[in-house]
Amino acid sequence: GAVVSQHPSRVICKSGTSVKIECRSLDFQATTMFWYRQFPKQSLMLMATSNEGSKATYEQGVEKDKFLINHASLTLSTLTVTSAHPEDSSFYICSARSVADGNTIYFGEGSWLTVV
Amino acid sequence: SQQGEEDPQALSIQEGENATMNCSYKTSINNLQWYRQNSGRGLVHLILIRSNEREKHSGRLRVTLDTSKKSSSLLITASRAADTASYFCATDAWNDYKLSFGAGTTVTVRA
Repeated sequence: GAVVSQHPSRVICKSGTSVKIECRSLDFQATTMFWYRQFPKQSLMLMATSNEGSKATYEQGVEKDKFLINHASLTLSTLTVTSAHPEDSSFYICSARSVADGNTIYFGEGSWLTVV
Repeated sequence: SQQGEEDPQALSIQEGENATMNCSYKTSINNLQWYRQNSGRGLVHLILIRSNEREKHSGRLRVTLDTSKKSSSLLITASRAADTASYFCATDAWNDYKLSFGAGTTVTVRA
């Protein structure tokens, strides 16, 4: 199946700093990528839809100025958590839509963010 | 947003037994997909079933879809210890590829 790579897999940052997470589709082009957040033992909550070449679409309740999304190419979307706080600590997962594969959505391995 | 409910929330079975889990959703869908997630890891795509399909197989996996009842089931036959994971269903609507996830079923396969 198609591969989506996330980097870094784990990151620890200090409160008040910003951290960037990358999501790459390795063997297909993805005009649409998605960012999710998952708390322990819970399901995935969609944060935003990342569209190549245009602004991201954020879900209700997600602060767009805090969670900056950039989708500069057909294979890369980035999520930047700005001015991170301990409550931002979570598991962040991206996914990418493969048009070539019948619009199947493939997920990355996720990134653990810990804000101390 | 989550629109699906999964049943049961947790399932514990013996190796070799079958595991069945169900997913219900609320609005009309285009596709329904099943994913597996090992603890602390990303999601692995298992099967995609379209709204005009009723059943699909992939190896030891069998998925059914009943759009009249807005429900789907995932059957894992001859389970193995490696099948221990959380399983999620996710739906998307026509021309909207955002996935709505169910709460998930945690499956434990005992050796």
